[in-house]
Amino acid sequence: NAGVTQTPKFQVLKTGQSMTLQCAQDMNHEYMSWYRQDPGMGLRLIHYSVGAGITDQGEVPNGYNVSRSTTEDFPLRLLSAAPSQTSVYFCASSGLAGVPPNGDTQYFGPGTRLTVL
Amino acid sequence: ILNVEQSPQSLHVQEGDSTNFTCSFPSSNFYALHWYRWETAKSPEALFVMTLNGDEKKKGRISATLNTKEGYSYLYIKGSQPEDSATYLCAFRASGTYKYIFGTGTRLKVLA
Repeated sequence: NAGVTQTPKFQVLKTGQSMTLQCAQDMNHEYMSWYRQDPGMGLRLIHYSVGAGITDQGEVPNGYNVSRSTTEDFPLRLLSAAPSQTSVYFCASSGLAGVPPNGDTQYFGPGTRLTVL
Repeated sequence: ILNVEQSPQSLHVQEGDSTNFTCSFPSSNFYALHWYRWETAKSPEALFVMTLNGDEKKKGRISATLNTKEGYSYLYIKGSQPEDSATYLCAFRASGTYKYIFGTGTRLKVLA
């Protein structure tokens, strides 16, 4: 199993450009999520999904869109990049709660470092 | 807005010392509390999933306790080793939601 994969690893954008961060998992997990990590802020939830066709907003959803057309993939779209979106982005997946042995433990991808100039 | 706080923000200990950190979270509507270990340049990795008041979990030299009534969890490391150096994160999930709220982490540096 590859686990959770993210592409690209690094990206530089200009203000106003759009792009899609890719996330895929091969563990048949229902739950997938996107976080951003900023210094002193910890991990903040952007959007999440509990299954194909179902998405919802997290703490900081503005400026980002998501879709979940398959169980495996959960892309994050930046519609019009802004310098405030400079961050490291992590995708994570988990089974839904109550399924042993790991319950809803999240498995994280390697991250995408995004810089918006 | 749910608030999850971790203390201390950072600490340095000598090899062989035992140490502990705190994660504070809302005491109402508790569903689960997760602990993660996050090494520099890597991704967070799960340590424990805690769901019941009074839970105690252990993995090697690392253990954790949970008090949902007062809203805190402790993570203990016995006989710290340099390889324990990492940021330790806790994440709280309230009942009725699939959202995880992370604390800002405790950064541990173990000096050889």
